[in-house]
Amino acid sequence: SAVISQKPSRDICQRGTSLTIQCQVDSQVTMMFWYRQQPGQSLTLIATANQGSEATYESGFVIDKFPISRPNLTFSTLTVSNMSPEDSSIYLCSVVARGNYGYTFGSGTRLTVV
Amino acid sequence: AQSVSQHNHHVILSEAASLELGCNYSYGGTVNLFWYVQYPGQHLQLLLKYFSGDPLVKGIKGFEAEFIKSKFSFNLRKPSVQWSDTAEYFCAVNENYGQNFVFGPGTRLSVLP
Repeated sequence: SAVISQKPSRDICQRGTSLTIQCQVDSQVTMMFWYRQQPGQSLTLIATANQGSEATYESGFVIDKFPISRPNLTFSTLTVSNMSPEDSSIYLCSVVARGNYGYTFGSGTRLTVV
Repeated sequence: AQSVSQHNHHVILSEAASLELGCNYSYGGTVNLFWYVQYPGQHLQLLLKYFSGDPLVKGIKGFEAEFIKSKFSFNLRKPSVQWSDTAEYFCAVNENYGQNFVFGPGTRLSVLP
């Protein structure tokens, strides 16, 4: 399966600032997704990162708050903009590799907004 | 829309007890089914998955799950739990090889030594 490197692993940020999270995969993947896991809760899909075009956002998530880039088949970034304490969560990158319907998750970025 | 429910929010067992965690989904078509585990402070790991074939699926660390289509269920089992199985367990469903899947709310398992 694909190996995902997600950075940073954790960060503590001031409210009103922005943080960009990187997801690097060791092979070309068909699909890349960004999930959020709020404290004590399950995972919620934020968006599908589309290569070379705008991401597809789920209900409740907007591009201005969570801009996403995917310049190629192995790399994507998620930015959490104008952060507030409510954005404190674990953010996870997930991929589906070519010809494989298995899903692999990155180790996550634990974000705390103070 | 697809939804996934897990029967228990928190399960507490003693070591060597048998485990069964319930998972039900709502979609009536073709589904792929997964169980993930999240150990304290760690990231999600795939325990097992079902795409087709034998409805009894063997996973890592002695876990297995049975897909019962008529009951829309995919329950996770382990005959004898260990303290190291203490973790959060998430059931997830992907419909028709779609782009993403829906996670259940999770079940926290605490195994007492």
